[in-house]
Amino acid sequence: TQLLEQSPQFLSIQEGENLTVYCNSSSVFSSLQWYRQEPGEGPVLLVTVVTGGEVKKLKRLTFQFGDARKDSSLHITAAQTGDTGLYLCAGGETSGSRLTFGEGTQLTVNP
Amino acid sequence: DTGVSQDPRHKITKRGQNVTFRCDPISEHNRLYWYRQTLGQGPEFLTYFQNEAQLEKSRLLSDRFSAERPKGSFSTLEIQRTEQGDSAMYLCASRSGGRGTEAFFGQGTRLTVV
Repeated sequence: TQLLEQSPQFLSIQEGENLTVYCNSSSVFSSLQWYRQEPGEGPVLLVTVVTGGEVKKLKRLTFQFGDARKDSSLHITAAQTGDTGLYLCAGGETSGSRLTFGEGTQLTVNP
Repeated sequence: DTGVSQDPRHKITKRGQNVTFRCDPISEHNRLYWYRQTLGQGPEFLTYFQNEAQLEKSRLLSDRFSAERPKGSFSTLEIQRTEQGDSAMYLCASRSGGRGTEAFFGQGTRLTVV
């Protein structure tokens, strides 16, 4: 079974600060997706990265897929209170079947 | 709205009762997934369909759980003889085939077993 470890598990910062969330595995994934989830709702897709070393930017969010396709990071610049939520990474297996999720990083951005 | 739809959004049931949840995926997506999520944790894989075929089931899926996807469209997840430990958010996702294609989630069904 492929496992994904996310760190940190909890993060509480002030508005305007920068932060990075990490997603690591000993396994290779064909793709990696980042989701954001609010309480009582389903995860909402932020980005998919497929190529090793790939970097994608979404406004203040920067996503990177490791060269070996085993790890990824999410960097948020100048965090806002609206960024508060559970951030989940999910790895796609080479067979194209299941997505394996990390345990999530609960981010709280304080005003 | 062409997103993934789940029904009901919330379900409260007494221990020992059976419950059934429904998921309507995005229409052109041939792959459908069920996940279970407890508070503060990431979703745990339960089962996966490609069209109408159930291709994979997690060991988490006990004999009390059954899922179907007749005709490869909507799917149902049934839990028989519910237990308090079944209380969780049940999430459905769909995606089209191929490497790197994106999975989209429904809003989930929150089950509370009392």
